[in-house]
Amino acid sequence: EVQVSESGGGLVQPGGSLRLSCATSGFTFSGYAMGWVRQAPGKGLEYVSVISGSGDRTLYRDSVKGRFTVSRDNPENTLYLHMNSLRVEDTALYYCAKQSSSGFGWVDYWGQGTLVTVSS
Amino acid sequence: EIVLTQSPATLSLFPGERATLSCRASQSDTDDLAWYQQRPGQAPRLLIYDVSTRATDIPARFSGSGSGTDFTLTISSLEPEDFAVYYCQQRTRWPFTFGPGTKVDIK
Repeated sequence: EVQVSESGGGLVQPGGSLRLSCATSGFTFSGYAMGWVRQAPGKGLEYVSVISGSGDRTLYRDSVKGRFTVSRDNPENTLYLHMNSLRVEDTALYYCAKQSSSGFGWVDYWGQGTLVTVSS
Repeated sequence: EIVLTQSPATLSLFPGERATLSCRASQSDTDDLAWYQQRPGQAPRLLIYDVSTRATDIPARFSGSGSGTDFTLTISSLEPEDFAVYYCQQRTRWPFTFGPGTKVDIK
C-alpha cells in the first residue's frame, strides 16, 4: 500500500525558514517523480515544485524560485522542501504529491498535508 | 501561465441527478487535463487523467471529455459521497495549474 506522510510544518515569522519532509513507502521511490502542492486556507490548489525520480530535474513556480529548494533522498524514500525567506503569502497546507507513472503532472497519491503558517 | 476557469462555481443537485462540470483553458493547445475530487478535511483524489481515463478504483459513473480549450467532467448519477469540490488541472505547460473548483452540494 502506498503511503505518503508530511511533517515539519509550523508557525514561523516572515523571513524565516522551514524544512518540510515527506516519508513514503509502498512503491519504488526512485522510480517516480514527486512534487509539492499547497492550499492556502479556504482556497484552491497550487503547484509549488516537482523533482524527477533521480533528482536531476526540478521545476519551481516563479513565486518561490530562489527561496525554496526541493530535494530527495532516494535510499531513505524521503522528499524534502527547504523553504527560506518565507512570506505571509506562503501560508498554506503543503501536500506531498506522488506523480503518476507518466512523469510530471498527475498526482496519484497525496499525503494529508502539513500546515505552514507565516506570521509575526 | 495557462489559466483554468471552472463553471459553475456551485452546483446544487439531488442525489441521483446527473452533474456536468466545465473547465475552460486560456490556451488552445491544452491537451493534458485531469480532474480531482476533494471532500471537506481531506486531501484531493485523482479521478480522471489524460482528459478521459479513469484513475484506479474510480467508479464508472465518473467520465471526462473535451479537447482544445473546453473540458467536461460528468457524474452520471450522484451518490451521497460525491458531494464535494472538484478541480481540473493541466500539465501541458509549467507551472501546472488548477482551476478554482466547482462545489457540488446537496439541493
